[in-house]
Amino acid sequence: DVKVTQSSRYLVKRTGEKVFLECVQDMDHENMFWYRQDPGLGLRLIYFSYDVKMKEKGDIPEGYSVSREKKERFSLILESASTNQTSMYLCASSLGGGGTTDTQYFGPGTRLTVL
Amino acid sequence: GQNIDQPTEMTATEGAIVQINCTYQTSGFNGLFWYQQHAGEAPTFLSYNVLDGLEEKGRFSSFLSRSKGYSYLLLKELQMKDSASYLCAVRDEDTGRRALTFGSGTRLQVQP
Repeated sequence: DVKVTQSSRYLVKRTGEKVFLECVQDMDHENMFWYRQDPGLGLRLIYFSYDVKMKEKGDIPEGYSVSREKKERFSLILESASTNQTSMYLCASSLGGGGTTDTQYFGPGTRLTVL
Repeated sequence: GQNIDQPTEMTATEGAIVQINCTYQTSGFNGLFWYQQHAGEAPTFLSYNVLDGLEEKGRFSSFLSRSKGYSYLLLKELQMKDSASYLCAVRDEDTGRRALTFGSGTRLQVQP
């Protein structure tokens, strides 16, 4: 079974703090993704990576950055947290290559509250 | 770009059949996925369609019509544990974008 883990289930931070969210997958997947999920808005893509040290902006990258130094690990960074970044953050990975290999497997999520 | 529409909420009775619709408008198409998400949990993969027709997997089936930009998820013999959100997601044709675009999800409430 694919396993995607995230460093924290719940996190509370203050406005202006730098926040790191970590994600690790154990299936040698090429692609990794960061989403945020808000009521009524669904899953929105922040950034994704298709290879080590490679990254692509998603639909809402503003206020976020990412790092992928190793294949299994993809980090999301909030340089200066703001209250509008309070959300559920979900990490996912996929093998890639088309067809069912594009199936994404999700981590349990991190519920971030910025005060 | 992509636009995906699903009903926001549905209610059904235990033991019944429910159909959750998804319509999409995309610049290209390379597959449609359905996910289940229980409250407070991560989405889990249910089904994948890339060709027209019905894919059956136990109590769950998924249908695709590419010409109509339409899919549905059919849940039979509903159980209380099927109460969850169901997310429709599309993979577009642009190979540079390996991500999926998700709809907002349909919250299904199964009643006794």
